[in-house]
Amino acid sequence: EVQLLESGGGLVQPGGSLRLSCAASGFTFSSYAMSWVRQAPGKGLEWVSAISGSGGSTYYADSVKGRFTISRDNSKNTLYLQMNSLRAEDTAVYYCAKVAIVATIEDVAFDIWGQGTMVTVSS
Amino acid sequence: SYVLTQPPSVSVAPGQTARITCGGNNIGSKSVHWYQQKPGQAPVLVVYDDSDRPSGIPERFSGSNSGNTATLTISRVEAGDEADYYCQVWDSSSDHRWVFGGGTKLTVL
Repeated sequence: EVQLLESGGGLVQPGGSLRLSCAASGFTFSSYAMSWVRQAPGKGLEWVSAISGSGGSTYYADSVKGRFTISRDNSKNTLYLQMNSLRAEDTAVYYCAKVAIVATIEDVAFDIWGQGTMVTVSS
Repeated sequence: SYVLTQPPSVSVAPGQTARITCGGNNIGSKSVHWYQQKPGQAPVLVVYDDSDRPSGIPERFSGSNSGNTATLTISRVEAGDEADYYCQVWDSSSDHRWVFGGGTKLTVL
């Protein structure tokens, strides 16, 4: 069974840092691009970042560019999101998602999502 | 940046057909994906590439895309279809990114 399991969320003060992890199983992790999508309380979905299967290509939303870093360890089947200089508006549930097509990062749907991890930025 | 516009809410009686629209400039030239999200749960892909269904998604879910509007159609609506629905496209025009619509709350009366 294909599964994604996020961890690492929690309460952090404004200006602080947090690293999210997403453990993948049930598919050839290194063959698929991965993404992070967030959802603020009571709000809609917002795409955050994406990374190619090899890790050689990365994309970021303007709202997090320069503060967040996406990475992956294919030997551990794990996706990461390093979040620095956190702001109150970064408060959200963060989902990791797998793209639907092998060896593709652009113009593709997200077919598998994790259950999400909550990040709260507050003093 | 590219903007996708969805109605905040759509209501339909059980057994009827629900149509949820997603508006965008020349969206017909893009591939549109649709997600269903129930309260407290992660999104689920229900339609991809305008009109294809992932395995396990009922045939009652279908999609179309032309001009400036994409549409998710749910036939023979059931109480279990009550959820938020989001459209999504890839925006190649500005620094490569995915864009989501604001979401539509489907209420089954």
